[in-house]
Amino acid sequence: KQEVTQIPAALSVPEGENLVLNCSFTDSAIYNLQWFRQDPGKGLTSLLLIQSSQREQTSGRLNASLDKSSGRSTLYIAASQPGDSATYLCAVHNQGGKLIFGQGTELSVKP
Amino acid sequence: GAVVSQHPSWVICKSGTSVKIECRSLDFQATTMFWYRQFPKQSLMLMATSNEGSKATYEQGVEKDKFLINHASLTLSTLTVTSAHPEDSSFYICSADKAHNYGYTFGSGTRLTVV
Repeated sequence: KQEVTQIPAALSVPEGENLVLNCSFTDSAIYNLQWFRQDPGKGLTSLLLIQSSQREQTSGRLNASLDKSSGRSTLYIAASQPGDSATYLCAVHNQGGKLIFGQGTELSVKP
Repeated sequence: GAVVSQHPSWVICKSGTSVKIECRSLDFQATTMFWYRQFPKQSLMLMATSNEGSKATYEQGVEKDKFLINHASLTLSTLTVTSAHPEDSSFYICSADKAHNYGYTFGSGTRLTVV
């Protein structure tokens, strides 16, 4: 059974810092891995999608890496801003067809 | 792009009544849609997989008679919470994937409060 774990559960940093969010999964048989952002009371916004054959994806200040063999992914946020404050969710798309979520990392960027 | 629209965004209903939530894929066809439930400060829990033209597949522990899913067209899936009770109060989100290599797109969610 696929399990997805995110560390840390919460993170508070001053504005301008670079930071790394971690995601690990137990079954490497995945189609892809997706990072999402969720603001309080809102739906999910897709940030980055990494296919199982890829090592990383970049979008603006965001960079996500994938090491499928070790079951790990990281989301790197450069030069953090208060507007980055949100919950970040990692999800793996199993070859069984389901999207399995981690518990999320609640990020707070202080001005 | 891939846009999923969910309606309503919030609803308050009396205990014992039924509530229907709609999920539409606006610019693509989705043979499969997914319904999730999220409790405060927790992650998303998959409730069921909605299959166009056939019965939904429910996750273990989810009552199919309580949460009725209908996927009558390639762009619309509905979730009906029947005989709602206060413990059904939660945030419900739907999603669909345009293609395996495109990733999942989520609706904006529905906040259900049963009083």
